[in-house]
Amino acid sequence: GQQVMQIPQYQHVQEGEDFTTYCNSSTTLSNIQWYKQRPGGHPVFLIQLVKSGEVKKQKRLTFQFGEAKKNSSLHITATQTTDVGTYFCAGRGFQKLVFGTGTRLLVSP
Amino acid sequence: DAGVIQSPRHEVTEMGQEVTLRCKLISGHNSLFWYRQTMMRGLELLIYFNNNVPIDDSGMPEDRFSAKMPNASFSTLKIQPSEPRDSAVYFCASSLVNSYEQYFGPGTRLTVT
Repeated sequence: GQQVMQIPQYQHVQEGEDFTTYCNSSTTLSNIQWYKQRPGGHPVFLIQLVKSGEVKKQKRLTFQFGEAKKNSSLHITATQTTDVGTYFCAGRGFQKLVFGTGTRLLVSP
Repeated sequence: DAGVIQSPRHEVTEMGQEVTLRCKLISGHNSLFWYRQTMMRGLELLIYFNNNVPIDDSGMPEDRFSAKMPNASFSTLKIQPSEPRDSAVYFCASSLVNSYEQYFGPGTRLTVT
């Protein structure tokens, strides 16, 4: 079945440093979504990418969908302590959405 | 809008007992998803419904798990009998069928002793 892996599993950065998480699917995706889950909270939708090579920005966050529509990345510029949490990609293949393994981000002040 | 509502927020039960988790969708949404989250297995889709009809239940672990949508705005996930390995946080999420963006509830933390 469809699998979605993310790397790294965990990253600890100092406030102000950049952060990137990578998402790779075993199959071609029709679209990919990104979610953020704060510690003790629930996943919250951030964005959806649909087109091959698409790049979208939300303030300090940059999301990219690969040309082959099998991978994606999320880059955070100049992290802040409010960025702490686990970031999940979720890829839609044939029908259902499959969540990635997640990258847990810790930001030290 | 109150968002997706789940109850109870926490449940502690003994092995062998029946557990029922409840979810109320956001008004107007017509897709409902049940997820289970553990440290070991991450976020797993158990089952989802479109317009009250189960579409994919391939993620339901075994026959001990069952999910229903008795009406368009409400769903239950039942575990009978429960086992310690069922301990997890269970989320439900709702969306519009053509929207894809899922809105998650706060989750139910289940502990089976």
